[in-house]
Amino acid sequence: SQQGEEDPQALSIQEGENATMNCSYKTSINNLQWYRQNSGRGLVHLILIRSNEREKHSGRLRVTLDTSKKSSSLLITASRAADTASYFCAFSSYAGGTSYGKLTFGQGTILTVHP
Amino acid sequence: SQTIHQWPATLVQPVGSPLSLECTVEGTSNPNLYWYRQAAGRGLQLLFYSVGIGQISSEVPQNLSASRPQDRQFILSSKKLLLSDSGFYLCAWSVLRRVSGNTIYFGEGSWLTVV
Repeated sequence: SQQGEEDPQALSIQEGENATMNCSYKTSINNLQWYRQNSGRGLVHLILIRSNEREKHSGRLRVTLDTSKKSSSLLITASRAADTASYFCAFSSYAGGTSYGKLTFGQGTILTVHP
Repeated sequence: SQTIHQWPATLVQPVGSPLSLECTVEGTSNPNLYWYRQAAGRGLQLLFYSVGIGQISSEVPQNLSASRPQDRQFILSSKKLLLSDSGFYLCAWSVLRRVSGNTIYFGEGSWLTVV
């Protein structure tokens, strides 16, 4: 299966702590993305890291990518109760000379941040 | 700016009844369009994607079909719903780009309960 795997499946922390979520995949990719989903809502794009990048930052988010290990991590620093959501990694595989934007999603990590 | 509208937000349908979920995108032209299904708040399964009017690719065999009658309109249908069709359906769009993968933008989703 090309589906990504995420761990942990669920993460419960206190406000102010850091949250780290991991994603592993099996194919060669040209980029990896992270999305956030509030309960019962659509997914919102957070950050994209290309296969030739190792680390990327966006506000309190830090994403790393290790293509040799086929893994990525998402770190949320100084978490807030409003960060409570499900987080999904998604990756795009290079298909010949073009990409149709088909993303394969992981199973997600449910993050709960307690105030 | 681009927006995506998906409706209805919630519906309860009896087994054997037809289904029609609609999705429209505004503010962009010739987008890639997608239908995803999400079961039990977990990972997303790509059902259909379309790169142009009348061009539909199915990812998995199922009781559903999709159509793209206009550039920015995507419809998910079924002639006879099954209990197993229950789930959270998400429409999404992206802009085709070469080289790297595309960020996908999601609608708010439609909750379907088949009874």
